[in-house]
Amino acid sequence: DSGVTQTPKHLITATGQRVTLRCSPRSGDLSVYWYQQSLDQGLQFLIQYYNGEERAKGNILERFSAQQFPDLHSELNLSSLELGDSALYFCASSGGIGGSGNTIYFGEGSWLTVV
Amino acid sequence: DQQVKQNSPSLSVQEGRISILNCDYTNSMFDYFLWYKKYPAEGPTFLISISSIKDKNEDGRFTVFLNKSAKHLSLHIVPSQPGDSAVYFCAPRVYNQGGKLIFGQGTELSVKP
Repeated sequence: DSGVTQTPKHLITATGQRVTLRCSPRSGDLSVYWYQQSLDQGLQFLIQYYNGEERAKGNILERFSAQQFPDLHSELNLSSLELGDSALYFCASSGGIGGSGNTIYFGEGSWLTVV
Repeated sequence: DQQVKQNSPSLSVQEGRISILNCDYTNSMFDYFLWYKKYPAEGPTFLISISSIKDKNEDGRFTVFLNKSAKHLSLHIVPSQPGDSAVYFCAPRVYNQGGKLIFGQGTELSVKP
C-alpha cells in the first residue's frame, strides 16, 4: 500500500459527460501528480500541484482540469468526454516539489471507460 | 518523440539467474532516473533510483547502472525470483520541472521457476 488513495476505482460513463476523479496523497506529502495510462500512449504525465499551486504541466487536454485543495487532496476533472479518454488515471504524491528522496508514490488508479 | 526507450517489450529468465532490464534516453535534462515495477491493474511501485551524477546504486537484489555518455541505464535483479514477474518501467525525472517523470514503454519480466 503506497498510502495514495484514489476514488472511484472504476467508472463507466457516456461520451459528452463530465467526471471527477479524486486523490488523497500520502500523509504529509505536498506534491500531487496526475498521470494517464492508455494502451497506445503508455504512462503520460498530465499535471503536478505543489501545496495548492500548479507546478508543472504535461500534455493535458484543455477539456481536463485539476486542482489541489487546502487539505492537499486533489481532483482531476474530465469534461466533454470522448471514447479516446478511456484510460487508467493515476495519482501520485511526494513530499517535496520534485520528490522526497527522489521518490514518487503512485495510487492504484481510477479506471475510466467512456462508452 | 520518444525520449525514453525500453527496447525489449519482454524478457524471460530462470529463477535464481540475473535479470537485466535496459533503458535508453535521448534527453540530457534528466536529473534522476527511477525504476518502477507494475502489476496489472495496480499502480506503479517504486523500486530504486539513481542520481545523474552517480554511475551505480544498489539496494538488496536490485542494482541500477547509469552510463551517461551512452545515455543508457540498466536494472539488474540478482537472484531473480518468480515474484519479480511484472512490468518494469524506466522513468527519468525532468530537471527543474517539478517531479515530472517520463516513462518508458515498459519491459515485461517473466521469471520461471
